[in-house]
Amino acid sequence: QSALTQPASVSGSPGQSITISCTGTSSDVGGYKYVSWYQQHPDKAPKLMIYDVSNRPSGVSNRFSGSKSGNTASLTISGLQAEDEADYFCSSYTSSSTLVFGGGTKLTVL
Amino acid sequence: EVQLVESGGGLVQPGGSLRLSCAASGFTFSSYGMNWVRQAPGKGLEWVSYISSSSSTIYYADSVKGRFTISRDNAKNSLYLQMNGLRAEDTAVYYCAREWYSGGWAQNGYWGQGTLVTVSS
Repeated sequence: QSALTQPASVSGSPGQSITISCTGTSSDVGGYKYVSWYQQHPDKAPKLMIYDVSNRPSGVSNRFSGSKSGNTASLTISGLQAEDEADYFCSSYTSSSTLVFGGGTKLTVL
Repeated sequence: EVQLVESGGGLVQPGGSLRLSCAASGFTFSSYGMNWVRQAPGKGLEWVSYISSSSSTIYYADSVKGRFTISRDNAKNSLYLQMNGLRAEDTAVYYCAREWYSGGWAQNGYWGQGTLVTVSS
């Protein structure tokens, strides 16, 4: 199972919005609702930010939103803040009953 | 408060074995499926294995199939990963993680702090 494709890095200024893409296939992202996004700060465990494509766990800021179109899922962060600077990973359930992650995207807040 | 605490990591020679444990608290352990996810130094996340709440369903990544065995003891609120035939490429921080909601095993809502496994001679 190949990793989902994410851009290696994205950047934005405080207050701006950014979008991180996550491209898979019809056997993973495109075929199921089980797409999630994780935020990871250095030397910390990942934190669930989005599940089931577009749902936010309680406690996660509404500045974070998720969507999906075809085989590509997206995470949008609006009103960028300094504390959003982190690595972001997408993941998806697959038709082989496995879980696949994206390679990760480093978000820099300028 | 949900807590997951991994232990058992360390330095092991290639070909060796190691058993990781994950102690769970703050939720009804027997009601949730659990995953092991690893992260090589400076790299991304890689899913390793899943076990359902009753141990009836188990999945492995191809990279560890036949070498690693996942198990759980619901009476002890504990998750395990027996790792045999370790290779240098198994070097990583190993996280145990709980599915976000029962039945949604591919989405992990709670993570431990991780335990480092280093495979080197």
